[in-house]
Amino acid sequence: EIVLTQSPGTLSLSPGERVTLSCRASQSVISTYLAWYQQIPGRAPRLLIYGTSSRATGVPDRFSGSGSGTDFTLTISRLEPEDFAVYYCQFCGTSPFTFGPGTKVEIK
Amino acid sequence: EVQLVESGGGLVQPGGSLRLSCEASGFTFSSHWMYWVRQAPGKGLVWVSRVNSDGSGTIYADSVRGRFTISRDNAKNTVYLQMNSLRAEDTAVYYCARASLVGGVTLAAFDIWGQGTMVTVSS
Repeated sequence: EIVLTQSPGTLSLSPGERVTLSCRASQSVISTYLAWYQQIPGRAPRLLIYGTSSRATGVPDRFSGSGSGTDFTLTISRLEPEDFAVYYCQFCGTSPFTFGPGTKVEIK
Repeated sequence: EVQLVESGGGLVQPGGSLRLSCEASGFTFSSHWMYWVRQAPGKGLVWVSRVNSDGSGTIYADSVRGRFTISRDNAKNTVYLQMNSLRAEDTAVYYCARASLVGGVTLAAFDIWGQGTMVTVSS
């Protein structure tokens, strides 16, 4: 089973700032099989990135993904008010389709 | 509009049963593998189960295997989760989610989610 860890647990930032979120896998992951989600409290998750770096339909280009092997990154180039949320990475290759514990991006 | 709508959640006693439903609309349901994902209060996301496009293949997380059964009815555009022998630790919001199709290949990146249905297991 692939275990994903995310850091930091919480980030306190201001609108307009650049943010980089980290996701580390317990073993090497094929880039096709790494996804990122955004979840606003009380709402369902939303797919942001699949295949490490491909943006899902309708996702603004301020969101970008990168990485390889065991280290992956989600970058938000300039935080908008609606971006304050929890972000999860996910292994989407084979069962179990594990999620990371999430990084909360909160308003400073 | 592409959407998934869950129903069937509620309060159930430990050891009880519940069946969740998730009705799809706005897309070709029979082309997509479907999943259930749950989220305990204040916690993260946990994958629960998957059914392939024609219902012939199912897999489960270790924590629910032998107690939960996923199925689908493509004529009704609906996926189900039958939950038996429920435990307090099954308390969560249950989401159904659609697997992505990327270049015709199914990828377990969930591009459409339902709004979730709350299951509470308590006496």
